[in-house]
Amino acid sequence: EDKVVQSPLSLVVHEGDTVTLNCSYEVTNFRSLLWYKQEKKAPTFLFMLTSSGIEKKSGRLSSILDKKELFSILNITATQTGDSAVYLCALSGSARQLTFGSGTQLTVLP
Amino acid sequence: EAGVAQSPRYKIIEKRQSVAFWCNPISGHATLYWYQQILGQGPKLLIQFQNNGVVDDSQLPKDRFSAERLKGVDSTLKIQPAKLEDSAVYLCASSSYRRGTPPDTQYFGPGTRLTVL
Repeated sequence: EDKVVQSPLSLVVHEGDTVTLNCSYEVTNFRSLLWYKQEKKAPTFLFMLTSSGIEKKSGRLSSILDKKELFSILNITATQTGDSAVYLCALSGSARQLTFGSGTQLTVLP
Repeated sequence: EAGVAQSPRYKIIEKRQSVAFWCNPISGHATLYWYQQILGQGPKLLIQFQNNGVVDDSQLPKDRFSAERLKGVDSTLKIQPAKLEDSAVYLCASSSYRRGTPPDTQYFGPGTRLTVL
């Protein structure tokens, strides 16, 4: 079974800090790696990564995939209280089914 | 466009009772997924439909869980009989490959929070 491990499990920072969330995986074949943000509701899509070494960026968020070392990171700069959420990493399989990690709970204090 | 709709939003039942959840995907989305998310964990895929056919149900506990998507649009997930460990949020998601959108993107509904007492 594919395994996706996220670290840290939880993180508490203050507004303005920069955070790096990690996602490592053990898998032989996958289509893409996705990042989702989950507040007290449904996960919302952030990024999809398919190629190693190419950074995806959206505002203060960025992400990169390393297929050689089998990990991805999600960076958030100048954090805001609205960034508080669970961040989920998932692998997309051959039929586009997603295997999720357990998530990182990020809390941003004012 | 309207998002994925789910109902009910909350359900409390006693163990050994039955329960059903409903999902209406985004219009035109051929693929529909049901996930179970236990508190503190990531969502776990239960079943995947492509139109009205099952693509993957390898993680569905078939002795008590069933799902259908008869007309290839909305779907129901049923649990009968429920156990305490079924307490979770049940998420429905849909996807469809369209030019200009990442092909693996799934759009999630608000979920149904089930509590089994």
